[in-house]
Amino acid sequence: EAGVAQSPRYKIIEKRQSVAFWCNPISGHATLYWYQQILGQGPKLLIQFQNNGVVDDSQLPKDRFSAERLKGVDSTLKIQPAKLEDSAVYLCASQMDSYNEQFFGPGTRLTVL
Amino acid sequence: TQLLEQSPQFLSIQEGENLTVYCNSSSVFSSLQWYRQEPGEGPVLLVTVVTGGEVKKLKRLTFQFGDARKDSSLHITAAQPGDTGLYLCAGARDSNYQLIWGAGTKLIIKP
Repeated sequence: EAGVAQSPRYKIIEKRQSVAFWCNPISGHATLYWYQQILGQGPKLLIQFQNNGVVDDSQLPKDRFSAERLKGVDSTLKIQPAKLEDSAVYLCASQMDSYNEQFFGPGTRLTVL
Repeated sequence: TQLLEQSPQFLSIQEGENLTVYCNSSSVFSSLQWYRQEPGEGPVLLVTVVTGGEVKKLKRLTFQFGDARKDSSLHITAAQPGDTGLYLCAGARDSNYQLIWGAGTKLIIKP
């Protein structure tokens, strides 16, 4: 079974530039999460999708971050414009149903200069 | 706000030693999960504990869920260099499938 795919793996941009991350979850997993993980910290939830609907985006900085999950499969997370404090690893995870484990992709390491 | 506090934040020990990592909260969770994360990778689930007082063993790793379902511990016996990594605990809430994450314990096992 293929795992969660993310791209790119690494991205370096300058502040005020835009960036987009892509996630392809495990086939059949209805729930998809985007997390931000700053070095030395645990993952922080940014947004949760159930199929193509948003369940929770309360911690998503909506003035600069946006996310979508078209057709309930792939998802993209965008930052526009980026700030220095956005430097982090962005993790995508998918889950089959409520009490199953979350499967994580390898993450995208973003460096904002 | 429900928080999970992990301790210690960092632990460096010699191969063969035993260690315990703690995960504490003032809130009750329906279940608690332990993940291990290696550099450049996403977290990978090690175990889920559901029942208060539950003990699960995974080779040299022993996981325990507190009786009140507010805390958990991970004990590693005879640590090996392959155990090196970031250990994260995450508590589950019934309401929306989300996990509340601890900050992690960075473990280094020296040969």
